[in-house]
Amino acid sequence: KQEVTQIPAALSVPEGENLVLNCSFTDSAIYNLQWFRQDPGKGLTSLLLIQSSQREQTSGRLNASLDKSSGRSTLYIAASQPGDSATYLCAVFPPRDAGGTSYGKLTFGQGTILTVHP
Amino acid sequence: DGGITQSPKYLFRKEGQNVTLSCEQNLNHDAMYWYRQDPGQGLRLIYYSQIVNDFQKGDIAEGYSVSREKKESFPLTVTSAQKNPTAFYLCASSISTYSNQPQHFGDGTRLSIL
Repeated sequence: KQEVTQIPAALSVPEGENLVLNCSFTDSAIYNLQWFRQDPGKGLTSLLLIQSSQREQTSGRLNASLDKSSGRSTLYIAASQPGDSATYLCAVFPPRDAGGTSYGKLTFGQGTILTVHP
Repeated sequence: DGGITQSPKYLFRKEGQNVTLSCEQNLNHDAMYWYRQDPGQGLRLIYYSQIVNDFQKGDIAEGYSVSREKKESFPLTVTSAQKNPTAFYLCASSISTYSNQPQHFGDGTRLSIL
């Protein structure tokens, strides 16, 4: 059974720091990996989706990398801002079955709670 | 704007009562999902639907039921058989269930027991 772990569970940094959030998964036979942001009491906002054939994706100040062989992904946030404060979750997609479908059954990590203070 | 609408935002259930959570999307997505989020446990899949009139159990389907009569709607019923229903419920959709399609989420419904 796939298990996804995110380290650290919580992180507090001063504004302007570059930071790295970690995500590890036990079964390297994943298809894709998606990073989300969740604000308190809100739903999830998709940040980046890394296809299995890719090693990284970038969007603005965010960069996510994927190393399937080692079962790891990292989310790099450059020049952090107080508005980046949120919970960050990673989720992995299982490999496709013989029919080409994985049913979108994401397995989520427990998240990293990020606080960026002015 | 295109998106996923969940209602109500807060819901209270009495003992022995069934309650239904609404999820509507106008993204023209085929696939829809229901997740449950508990503190410190991440999200767990309850049910998913690949297409209208079809749905499959997820990892924690016991005590829940769903229907998918219309493409844009995927309501979740929390039955009295669900003994620990207090949680944050999230609905999601994607273009299809193929893995290269990102999932998009609503703002959730928080269910509590009276």
